[in-house]
Amino acid sequence: DTEVTQTPKHLVMGMTNKKSLKCEQHMGHRAMYWYKQKAKKPPELMFVYSYEKLSINESVPSRFSPECPNSSLLNLHLHALQPEDSALYLCASSQDKELAKNIQYFGAGTRLSVL
Amino acid sequence: QKEVEQNSGPLSVPEGAIASLNCTYSDRVSQSFFWYRQYSGKSPELIMSIYSNGDKEDGRFTAQLNKASQYVSLLIRDSQPSDSATYLCAVKAGYSTLTFGKGTMLLVSP
Repeated sequence: DTEVTQTPKHLVMGMTNKKSLKCEQHMGHRAMYWYKQKAKKPPELMFVYSYEKLSINESVPSRFSPECPNSSLLNLHLHALQPEDSALYLCASSQDKELAKNIQYFGAGTRLSVL
Repeated sequence: QKEVEQNSGPLSVPEGAIASLNCTYSDRVSQSFFWYRQYSGKSPELIMSIYSNGDKEDGRFTAQLNKASQYVSLLIRDSQPSDSATYLCAVKAGYSTLTFGKGTMLLVSP
């Protein structure tokens, strides 16, 4: 089973709203990732958590706030987003980000629209 | 700056033909190579991983790696319309995270 579950599948929010994206995996993976993907572009890495600690922040604006409550869960808190933040947000997990043979498995994504 | 280059396409092939997707990478210490398939509006799905020079086959898919030429390819035999998607090449070097190419769109016509 290589399932990564993301909720919600779709989200529409105003620029003053606060919302959260959720991601869950039960594969025992110790690395979890958030990506942003715009149409016809490759996934763009935002954050990496390794063993529940923030390992990489790719200079993401503070209106995006990640959280890893435990080894199976990853959240992305959203506040005061801009219309240009509309995109597909992908969560991925892998066994250990340091491993050479480190396969990342992606969730189905959350399609976010900011009005 | 690590770069992964792919022809954006679209690559058009008739049903039943062999589709050949190519990828070059700049970081010589890259160790792990992945092909993901992504249907429009969906998330990337792992198709193949390859770590050693040579060929790796899985069903209709064959990944080929040549580290000396810094080149990795994906062959799809007996292409089907359902193979129409964007194929993302991704490369990992050492402790770094994945670097994705921009993807090649494949169109298989019936």
